[in-house]
Amino acid sequence: GDSVTQMEGPVTLSEEAFLTINCTYTATGYPSLFWYVQYPGEGLQLLLKATKADDKGSNKGFEATYRKETTSFHLEKGSVQVSDSAVYFCALSDRGGGSYIPTFGRGTSLIVHP
Amino acid sequence: GAVVSQHPSWVICKSGTSVKIECRSLDFQATTMFWYRQFPKQSLMLMATSNEGSKATYEQGVEKDKFLINHASLTLSTLTVTSAHPEDSSFYICSADGLAGPNYEQYFGPGTRLTVT
Repeated sequence: GDSVTQMEGPVTLSEEAFLTINCTYTATGYPSLFWYVQYPGEGLQLLLKATKADDKGSNKGFEATYRKETTSFHLEKGSVQVSDSAVYFCALSDRGGGSYIPTFGRGTSLIVHP
Repeated sequence: GAVVSQHPSWVICKSGTSVKIECRSLDFQATTMFWYRQFPKQSLMLMATSNEGSKATYEQGVEKDKFLINHASLTLSTLTVTSAHPEDSSFYICSADGLAGPNYEQYFGPGTRLTVT
């Protein structure tokens, strides 16, 4: 079945540092790929997505590129802020025959210090 | 954009009582809604998929009689935790399948924190 593997956290960075959170996936079809962010005590928000190979999703300074050859969708940001502290979930969705239900990774906690 | 709300945002109840959580799609119609459970510092676990006007489809290991799901309209799904026990304490998140441009996406509610004492 489909699966998503994320790097273990927490990732602890100083403000303005470069961020990479690795995500690799296994899927039988051609899934869409997503990054969701969950701030403390809140639900999930879609951060960015990519629907086909070589697509780059971007939002709020975050980027991720759909790499089919390496089955990866790593999240990057050039300069993190304290307000980026949250849990980040990589997910894939393979809409086969109906509603699509994301398969989530375990989440990676990001802590940014001033 | 598409907004999903949940009510209440948090609830504390006594062991043995039932609690109802509402999930609403505010500006779109959602044929399908989903209920997730999230344990502290863990990922989301899909509990069930509910389609408007039909019975919910539960994931393996989720007790149907304990977690009652009703999807009475295209904008409302409810999750009732019956005879709650402390081990049911968790963060419950719903999502709704909605059309965003040419593609469907899942829109997530803000979550409901349930604490059973």
